[in-house]
Order: sequence, then C-alpha cells, then structure tokens
Amino acid sequence: GAVVSQHPSWVICKSGTSVKIECRSLDFQATTMFWYRQFPKQSLMLMATSNEGSKATYEQGVEKDKFLINHASLTLSTLTVTSAHPEDSSFYICSARVFGAPSYNEQFFGPGTRLTVL
Amino acid sequence: DAKTTQPPSMDCAEGRAANLPCNHSTISGNEYVYWYRQIHSQGPQYIIHGLKNNETNEMASLIITEDRKSSTLILPHATLRDTAVYYCIVRVLHQTGANNLFFGTGTRLTVIP
Repeated sequence: GAVVSQHPSWVICKSGTSVKIECRSLDFQATTMFWYRQFPKQSLMLMATSNEGSKATYEQGVEKDKFLINHASLTLSTLTVTSAHPEDSSFYICSARVFGAPSYNEQFFGPGTRLTVL
Repeated sequence: DAKTTQPPSMDCAEGRAANLPCNHSTISGNEYVYWYRQIHSQGPQYIIHGLKNNETNEMASLIITEDRKSSTLILPHATLRDTAVYYCIVRVLHQTGANNLFFGTGTRLTVIP
C-alpha cells in the first residue's frame, strides 16, 4: 500500500517555542491530507483537513492561529504548533487521501509524531 | 456520519478467531463500514471495508448483517501482533472533497498466548 511518513517521530521542546511536523506521501500524490491529535488512552480527533494549494479547514475548537497547516505540494503537508504549551503534548498523526484512488478512497496514515512540551 | 458502538475491550486466545462486533443502527444506505486498527504508538492501519456484501481480504473478513445495522470483523487466526485497538467507522463515500474519518473509542483487542 501507499506509504506516509512523518518527521520527526518524536520531539521534546520548551514551552513557548514552535514545532514543525512534516507529513509526506512517499510513493503517491495526495490531494488531501488530514491532521489528527490523540491524547493518551483516547481516540483520534480530527484537527484539520488540508488541501493542496488552499487553506486548511479546521474542526471546531481547533485554533487555526496556533496550529498552522501548510500543504504546498501534492506530497508534503506541515503542521506547526506555535507557542507550544504542556497541554499541547500529544500524539499527532497525519493521513493522506490517494489522488485518483479507487472507489473506496482509502486513507493512509503516517506513523505519528509524539510531542512533549516541557 | 452514523455513530458506532463497540465493546471497549476483548480478549482472544492466540490461534483462535477473533470476532469484533460493531453496532451502527443509524447507518444510511450510502454509508460504508470501515475497519481500522491502531497498534500502540503507531498510526492507524486500514483493514477492510464493505457496503452490503460480506468481504474478505488477506487480513480479515467483514460480515455485515442484512439490515446493515451491525457488522463483525473476523480475524481468523489471531496472533500476538494483532493486539491493537480496532475502530469501526461508517461514512459516506464522496468522490470529491474530504473523506475524513471520525474515530470512536474502538475495541482494545488483547491476544493472549
């Protein structure tokens, strides 16, 4: 199947700093990428939907000025957590929808990035 | 998208079949049933999906009741590596636009040696 990578796999940062997480589709083009957040022992929560070349659509309650999303190409989307605080510590997961996918429009998920804010 | 109900946890002996149920009584006619799983600290992995008919692939089988209000994911011969949280999701298939998946709480399957 299609491969999605994330970088870094884990990051520790100080409170108040910004952290950038990259999501890449390695062997396919992704018109749409999704960013999820998962707190310990909880389910995945969709944060935003990112379409190549346009502004991201954020879910209710997600601050767009805090979680900056850029989808500059068909293979790369980035999530920047600005002025991170300890409550932003979480597991961030991206997924990519395959361009020209068969009818079931399968999404492929990245391995996740664990962010710890001290 | 329709809501789903799954038991929070299940155990299964290694080598036996694991049957994971899912209720989706409010599913509409154009909604598909999808199953994903998430092994600890990894991203979710697609398993299988279906609309009306039972489906089988190299990973699992999906049995959907005739009224489509419930389904069962079957792992025919569970191994320790199948220990994970299994998510049942129902959603409309859009040909354009977003196909975001809404994850519920899932079922934590533990395969016991």
